[in-house]
Amino acid sequence: DSGVTQTPKHLITATGQRVTLRCSPRSGDLSVYWYQQSLDQGLQFLIQYYNGEERAKGNILERFSAQQFPDLHSELNLSSLELGDSALYFCASSADTFSGNTIYFGEGSWLTVV
Amino acid sequence: AQSVTQLGSHVSVSEGALVLLRCNYSSSVPPYLFWYVQYPNQGLQLLLKYTTGATLVKGINGFEAEFKKSETSFHLTKPSAHMSDAAEYFCAVSAGSARQLTFGSGTQLTVLP
Repeated sequence: DSGVTQTPKHLITATGQRVTLRCSPRSGDLSVYWYQQSLDQGLQFLIQYYNGEERAKGNILERFSAQQFPDLHSELNLSSLELGDSALYFCASSADTFSGNTIYFGEGSWLTVV
Repeated sequence: AQSVTQLGSHVSVSEGALVLLRCNYSSSVPPYLFWYVQYPNQGLQLLLKYTTGATLVKGINGFEAEFKKSETSFHLTKPSAHMSDAAEYFCAVSAGSARQLTFGSGTQLTVLP
């Protein structure tokens, strides 16, 4: 158990809909990352927050947004969903933003868009 | 910018044989290198990491990796494969101002009885 908690574990929704994925980082970790894992794209970095502020942005679509709240939990919002958004979405956390820090991953949220 | 190349998307070994999973990286600044393992329907678990210091890094479950700057490599090895090692393995790099991990495409390890 990494200590990173993600909900829901599985989600099935229709095209055009909006969903929210939730993440609680490890106790004491200030940095939260979101990754997308799909068969064709592999593991892609989406976005990073540190103590409530956006720190880095990767291949995140404009239809997607995220935020980190004062209690450090984070949410990833996916809107106008398309079939191609079906993937496993990981949240991860680390103590701070040092590049050598270990990043701990949750078990992911499986999103299926039908 | 940094990148990782994992050679071989599928590797099969017999139980008890040497495991060698290859990873080459590209980075314009000194890199930090990681190996993660993903078991079916699970998240990513850190096996080992290299930050600074000793270039031979030992990790969990008997795995180790050696950082070779001259070869820009960070290959993962285990002397004797076990059936429980069957999983997908990801090499990753972070460097400089890029705190996030950049992953390779993964290597699926199959262990044959």
